[in-house]
Order: sequence, then structure tokens, then C-alpha cells
Amino acid sequence: EIVLTQSPGTLSLSPGERATLSCRASQSVSNSYLAWYQQKPGQAPRLLIYVASNRATGIPDRFSGSGSGTDFTLTISRLEPEDFAVYYCQQYGGSTVTFGQGTKVEIK
Amino acid sequence: QLQLQESGPGLVKPSETLSLTCTVSGVSLSSSSSYYWAWIRQPPGKGLEWIGNIYYSGSTYYDPSLKSRVTISLDTSRNQFSLRLSSVTAADTAVYYCARVSTGWSLDYWGQGTLVTVSS
Repeated sequence: EIVLTQSPGTLSLSPGERATLSCRASQSVSNSYLAWYQQKPGQAPRLLIYVASNRATGIPDRFSGSGSGTDFTLTISRLEPEDFAVYYCQQYGGSTVTFGQGTKVEIK
Repeated sequence: QLQLQESGPGLVKPSETLSLTCTVSGVSLSSSSSYYWAWIRQPPGKGLEWIGNIYYSGSTYYDPSLKSRVTISLDTSRNQFSLRLSSVTAADTAVYYCARVSTGWSLDYWGQGTLVTVSS
């Protein structure tokens, strides 16, 4: 099973700042099958990025994904008030699906 | 517009079987061009856990840690898929989500989630 480790655990930033979230895999993620989700309290997760760098439908272009192999990054270029939430990465490989433990982006 | 809705008991006793249904609207589960459909759970205050998934053909995959207790099935006549988790304990208390598996095994449509509490 591939273990995903997200860092940092919490990111304290101000609106307008740039957020950089990391997701590191214990083994190479095949085909870059790495997705990113945003989750707000009491809501289901929302897909942001799929296959490492493709924005999902309706996702603003301030969200971008990059990386391959074992290292992946979600970047929010300029934080909007609605972007403060928990972010999860998720991978598919070797017939198994795993999630990272999440990064909380909070208002500084 | 594709929509998913979970339903089922919110309280289950320890050692019993948890049963949930996901009703899908906006697409037919029996279509040959259909997707995989998944169940995911989230214990209170914790992260997400993949439970398993099913294809329109009925083929399934279960997470190894739950495989001995999980069954996912499809009812194309009702456009639903279901989750059964046997011998539950307090550790199975979670919000349970159903979702559609899309490109690269990402989850593009989710239900709102339903909280299931395991308690006597």
C-alpha cells in the first residue's frame, strides 16, 4: 500500500498570500494518478485537481497541481476567504486507493 | 445534473451489520459506459478512508483492511448501489460518503454524507 504524507499539517496564512501544500508518496504513483480535494466543515470533499495537474470542472485557476513520481504539490496562488479549509491528496496504485492525512489552511 | 444521496440508519448496535444505500440520479448505473462507484468514510475529526468500489458490471474492489466485512452491491433497476459492513464496532462510527470514480481514480461527484454511529 502506498502511504501519502501531507505537509505541513497546518498552514497559517493571510488572504492574498500564496499557499503551497505538499503530498509525498512512499512509492512512485503510477500514471500520476494523484488527486487533490478541498473539504469545509460539514461538507463533502470537493475535487480540485486530478491526474496531478488537471483542474476539475469549475475550479478557479488560482488552484494548480504539479509533480510526479513521489512528490506532488498543490498551489493556491492567492488565497481567497473561501479557500480556508482542509485539503487532502489521494492516489490510486497497485489496485489500492489511499488518502493523505490532510493539511489545514487557516487564517493567520 | 448528476446527484448522489446516501440513506440508511444513523445508529447501529455493536456486532450488527451497517447497511447504506446510495441513490444516483442523472446517469444510469447500467450503462456500458458507466463509471466505478465508491464508498468512502470519515471518522469524526479524522481523515478519509476508501472502503471499496463497484463497476456497472458488478465487479468489486474492497480495501484490504475491511475486505472480510464489506459487501458492495448494485441494483440497476433502482439506480442504486449499497454498502454492507458486518460486525461493526465503535471504530466504524463515521460519516459515510458515496461517490463516482472518474479520470485517474479521482472522485468527481459526492453525496452529502451520512453519519453512522455504532453504539448500544
